[in-house]
Amino acid sequence: AQRVTQPEKLLSVFKGAPVELKCNYSYSGSPELFWYVQYSRQRLQLLLRHISRESIKGFTADLNKGETSFHLKKPFAQEEDSAMYYCALRPRGGYSTLTFGKGTMLLVSP
Amino acid sequence: GAGVSQSPRYKVAKRGQDVALRCDPISGHVSLFWYQQALGQGPEFLTYFQNEAQLDKSGLPSDRFFAERPEGSVSTLKIQRTQQEDSAVYLCASSPNVPTGEQYFGPGTRLTVT
Repeated sequence: AQRVTQPEKLLSVFKGAPVELKCNYSYSGSPELFWYVQYSRQRLQLLLRHISRESIKGFTADLNKGETSFHLKKPFAQEEDSAMYYCALRPRGGYSTLTFGKGTMLLVSP
Repeated sequence: GAGVSQSPRYKVAKRGQDVALRCDPISGHVSLFWYQQALGQGPEFLTYFQNEAQLDKSGLPSDRFFAERPEGSVSTLKIQRTQQEDSAVYLCASSPNVPTGEQYFGPGTRLTVT
């Protein structure tokens, strides 16, 4: 069975400060990792996936198989980054059901 | 184009009532997923359809939960004899292909059982 752990329920930073949202996973096979974001009053949407190796809205995340982590980082937080962030895992191959963490609320203050 | 839509957006049911939650996926999307999101939790998988076939229902919490997608498009999640622990947001997601497709989520239906 797979599990995704996001240890922080809430992360509060000031605008311009660096941000790191932590995600650890447990899975015996080869996983795909994702970050989803939910802005206030909006639906859940994909932010980025590890296989794309891209930066979205200034966010990056690197899969560390040794530490089984997929932390989300941004060097300079903006107020519009305030949202709920969910880390999710999907086994490679097969159909694409996702296992989500409990989420971290990011609050960026001016 | 239009995204995934769900109706109703909010539903209040008395304990013991039956409810039906509807999901309209993005047109042409093959895969459809239902998730349950309790307060303070991440979404949890309930069931998965590929076209009209329900390929996985391992996440349904009890036999009071039933889902269908008879024509491979619209899906309905039915909960019989609702209990307070069924109170949650029910999310539907669709994906254009399997297995690597991105999932597009609907706005959810918030079910409150009193």
